[in-house]
Amino acid sequence: AQSVTQLDSQVPVFEEAPVELRCNYSSSVSVYLFWYVQYPNQGLQLLLKYLSGSTLVESINGFEAEFNKSQTSFHLRKPSVHISDTAEYFCAVRGPWGYQKVTFGTGTKLQVIP
Amino acid sequence: NAGVTQTPKFQVLKTGQSMTLQCAQDMNHEYMSWYRQDPGMGLRLIHYSVGAGITDQGEVPNGYNVSRSTTEDFPLRLLSAAPSQTSVYFCASSHKGLAGDREQYFGPGTRLTVT
Repeated sequence: AQSVTQLDSQVPVFEEAPVELRCNYSSSVSVYLFWYVQYPNQGLQLLLKYLSGSTLVESINGFEAEFNKSQTSFHLRKPSVHISDTAEYFCAVRGPWGYQKVTFGTGTKLQVIP
Repeated sequence: NAGVTQTPKFQVLKTGQSMTLQCAQDMNHEYMSWYRQDPGMGLRLIHYSVGAGITDQGEVPNGYNVSRSTTEDFPLRLLSAAPSQTSVYFCASSHKGLAGDREQYFGPGTRLTVT
């Protein structure tokens, strides 16, 4: 079984400030890790993913996440947020084979304050 | 490509009514899934399919039926709607192939209210 914990349900941050959204997971097997973003009244979009290789992964809009196996974490960071980053962010995990039964965290709402 | 499409966008049902939420994808994806999203609970898997004619239950299947007669379509049926089924429903699809290709693509969602 696998699970995902997002400890912060809401994170307010001022525009141009840095932000970290925390994600911890548990699994008895190796996993693939994802961050999805959901803008208001829209579906989820993949932001970035870790499958293997370099533990630091980046998105095209300046977010990055680091896979830390010893701490079972996959925190999402951005050095300087914009108003347009206001959205809900979901961490997700799935096993490496078969049907991709994805387990989602409960989400973190990022509110960027002008 | 239209990607993953869902209809309707909004629906209000009375308790006991039945309805079908439609989902279609034009990417020739083998895998399709239905999730429900409730405040503070993230997304929970209702049913999924690994190909035409093959479906299985997720973590919250009660009160819902699915079928997959074609690769493109994966409708979700509510048999007898209950207020507990008030939620936002998302359909998603992905390729069966290598792990790196299995990104899930989500539809825009159906917001269902059961009174």
